[in-house]
Amino acid sequence: QQQVKQSPQSLIVQKGGISIINCAYENTAFDYFPWYQQFPGKGPALLIAIRPDVSEKKEGRFTISFNKSAKQFSLHIMDSQPGDSATYFCAAIYGSARQLTFGSGTQLTVLP
Amino acid sequence: EAGVTQSPTHLIKTRGQQVTLRCSPISGHTSVYWYQQALGLGLQFLLWYDEGEERNRGNFPPRFSGRQFPNYSSELNVNALELEDSALYLCASSPRTGSRGYTFGSGTRLTVV
Repeated sequence: QQQVKQSPQSLIVQKGGISIINCAYENTAFDYFPWYQQFPGKGPALLIAIRPDVSEKKEGRFTISFNKSAKQFSLHIMDSQPGDSATYFCAAIYGSARQLTFGSGTQLTVLP
Repeated sequence: EAGVTQSPTHLIKTRGQQVTLRCSPISGHTSVYWYQQALGLGLQFLLWYDEGEERNRGNFPPRFSGRQFPNYSSELNVNALELEDSALYLCASSPRTGSRGYTFGSGTRLTVV
């Protein structure tokens, strides 16, 4: 019940296209859903996050869509750029537990 | 503002040895988290320290341990190293209250041979 399932495992998109990464969770106690971006040799960096009382959050080219009833959330990267090529992780956290539960990651490649 | 710093960046150890990894959180952050990122296994929660106390640990054997010092820096100790301990060990910090998002360091790459 602690799992966060992420898909696809890898994604190849042309420059200017839309990248979509999906995650699903089971634990309804989760109350914060961040996305992290990780470049090779670096730690994950917080990209954008959402709470379950909001259906969509947009920051620049990055948008999180959240469907509470389906227990699913997704990351959309508009106008994808080669510099967006990285591994993306969704995550979830709840209450006093504090530790993040991560999805398995999606390796995104944006072709020039 | 300095980020989360980890040391060393890389190290190679022999199976059966012991290793200590170090982490300095962002100034003002009281919580430190340790994660293991093994190839193909994603990010697995190891330990959470806050105010010098271990608050929670993940599903790892007791040979993984650590501590947090009064200045909130932290050490992760791994005893009796096994080949499958080879991974990137990531430290993250967060303030006691406020943002739920962590700030990660760049990690320590441990190779066990």
